[in-house]
Amino acid sequence: NAGVTQTPKFRVLKTGQSMTLLCAQDMNHEYMYWYRQDPGMGLRLIHYSVGEGTTAKGEVPDGYNVSRLKKQNFLLGLESAAPSQTSVYFCASSYERDREKLFFGSGTQLSVL
Amino acid sequence: GIQVEQSPPDLILQEGANSTLRCNFSDSVNNLQWFHQNPWGQLINLFYIPSGTKQNGRLSATTVATERYSLLYISSSQTTDSGVYFCAASGGYQKVTFGTGTKLQVIP
Repeated sequence: NAGVTQTPKFRVLKTGQSMTLLCAQDMNHEYMYWYRQDPGMGLRLIHYSVGEGTTAKGEVPDGYNVSRLKKQNFLLGLESAAPSQTSVYFCASSYERDREKLFFGSGTQLSVL
Repeated sequence: GIQVEQSPPDLILQEGANSTLRCNFSDSVNNLQWFHQNPWGQLINLFYIPSGTKQNGRLSATTVATERYSLLYISSSQTTDSGVYFCAASGGYQKVTFGTGTKLQVIP
């Protein structure tokens, strides 16, 4: 049982490049989330999904897009990366009934130069 | 949305010492969680505790929802307890809000 798996673990981009982060969970969770973690600011919610085919904006959605085509996968896209998007990105998932008990992936360190 | 404040921001302990971390929140909550982020960045869910008291080994947590705070107790600290401890809360249909964390360093 792998839990929540994120790929890649590290990535360096140049300003303007695009990329997609993949999150996969094998716990049959309905809810999935993308957070970013910046020094001194805790974790902030970017986008989330309450089920397959659904997405919704979180606290800091600008510059990001997401898709949930399959229940087990949640993709985070950066269409035109900016230095302000340098951060550590975490994916999380939770059960529908206990939807706020979060299980996290190991994170992706992204640097935009 | 809910505001979550944690104290202290930094804490250094001698191995074997006890500590209490505090989380204050600005409104009624139906969800309160404590997480530990280890030095490698992994976030581990320690407690899901919207009210009452729970214990897990050397760790315990108490949430007093009516007074809008939660406490995390660490007894007989070990170097493996080092890392950042986050409190996260939500109320009603709002999404979870994280505090800025308490950075704990346990020295041998």
